[in-house]
Amino acid sequence: AQKVTQAQTEISVVEKEDVTLDCVYETRDTTYYLFWYKQPPSGELVFLIRRNSFDEQNEISGRYSWNFQKSTSSFNFTITASQVVDSAVYFCALSVTASGTYKYIFGTGTRLKVLA
Amino acid sequence: GAGVSQSPRYKVAKRGQDVALRCDPISGHVSLFWYQQALGQGPEFLTYFQNEAQLDKSGLPSDRFFAERPEGSVSTLKIQRTQQEDSAVYLCASSRGGGQGGEQYFGPGTRLTVT
Repeated sequence: AQKVTQAQTEISVVEKEDVTLDCVYETRDTTYYLFWYKQPPSGELVFLIRRNSFDEQNEISGRYSWNFQKSTSSFNFTITASQVVDSAVYFCALSVTASGTYKYIFGTGTRLKVLA
Repeated sequence: GAGVSQSPRYKVAKRGQDVALRCDPISGHVSLFWYQQALGQGPEFLTYFQNEAQLDKSGLPSDRFFAERPEGSVSTLKIQRTQQEDSAVYLCASSRGGGQGGEQYFGPGTRLTVT
């Protein structure tokens, strides 16, 4: 089965706190891609990062960092020193091959509320 | 440059009506996806086009749903005889290439309400 699980439905933090959003995936494919998207209140999903299954190197981009661990099938996302503008729903997604083509499977999302 | 646009942004339909939702992808993007997003849920895959070819329609919930992209650019998602369970936001996304793992650019969505 191909699946993405985001167990945290909603997280509230106070501004400047660090917060980690969890993502666990399932696939039997050896080649796959993982993504994080942000959906602000305006509704449009915005791409944040992509990782392929052969690249376990962690990545940092400003206040954002991602930890990819194949051993635990996890691709967690950390925001350091959170800001009110980080408030949004965050989705983790998995891209796998299927019947000669490919598709994207999204988790149910984690709503992050950053309080001033 | 222009992003992905969708129209209408909001659509109210009476049960049994047919609706057509339009997606204008980023110019030159090969791949186009349609998703259905229910309230509080993640996007659920509906169908995928590579240029004008519909390569995967396994996510379409019933034969009332039909999608096309005749010239490999604009796409239309049509829902016939709408039902209340069709109420959702319909998202369109495009991607530059035709390969796996491409970054998807999403439109703002069409919120469909079936009364």
